[in-house]
Amino acid sequence: SAVISQKPSRDICQRGTSLTIQCQVDSQVTMMFWYRQQPGQSLTLIATANQGSEATYESGFVIDKFPISRPNLTFSTLTVSNMSPEDSSIYLCSAGLTGNSYEQYFGPGTRLTVT
Amino acid sequence: GEDVEQSLFLSVREGDSSVINCTYTDSSSTYLYWYKQEPGAGLQLLTYIFSNMDMKQDQRLTVLLNKKDKHLSLRIADTQTGDSAIYFCAESIKDYKLSFGAGTTVTVRA
Repeated sequence: SAVISQKPSRDICQRGTSLTIQCQVDSQVTMMFWYRQQPGQSLTLIATANQGSEATYESGFVIDKFPISRPNLTFSTLTVSNMSPEDSSIYLCSAGLTGNSYEQYFGPGTRLTVT
Repeated sequence: GEDVEQSLFLSVREGDSSVINCTYTDSSSTYLYWYKQEPGAGLQLLTYIFSNMDMKQDQRLTVLLNKKDKHLSLRIADTQTGDSAIYFCAESIKDYKLSFGAGTTVTVRA
């Protein structure tokens, strides 16, 4: 399995500001993803974090709003830019094991509240 | 597009078996998953099954897959209070991405 940590675990932010969320995996992984879970909802994929190249965004998500970095095989960041109350969600990163990227583990999530 | 559906709530008596059902639409899904989310926590991978399998058992958990009907179920034997959580069904779509259902809230009553 993989152990994934995220920082911060929660934050309360003012609208118009930005927050960067960090995701650290305890082993090198090929695939990393970022998801959003709005209150009481299921998970929606934001993007695939590609190591050494630009992230691949899903429909409805854009790089200007959710810039992602993936500098190496164990670390990724997601920035939520120019926040509004609608961005209040739990943001989760996940990683697929090297050797079996279908076996995917999640971090504990970052609970973001925008006021 | 991909769509995963599951019932929203299940109430079960402690010690009984729980069965959570899920249907999916993408016939090319390679793997199907069950994740557990406890209040305030992230997602815990419970089990996953390769699409050419019919069944997978892991201690108290049994996964049944009917590929023809695109139906997946999770049976929890001897349900305990610690099993109270939201259970998400998910299917793999292209490029290792996962598509999730809305989640089934399981409540275990004494």
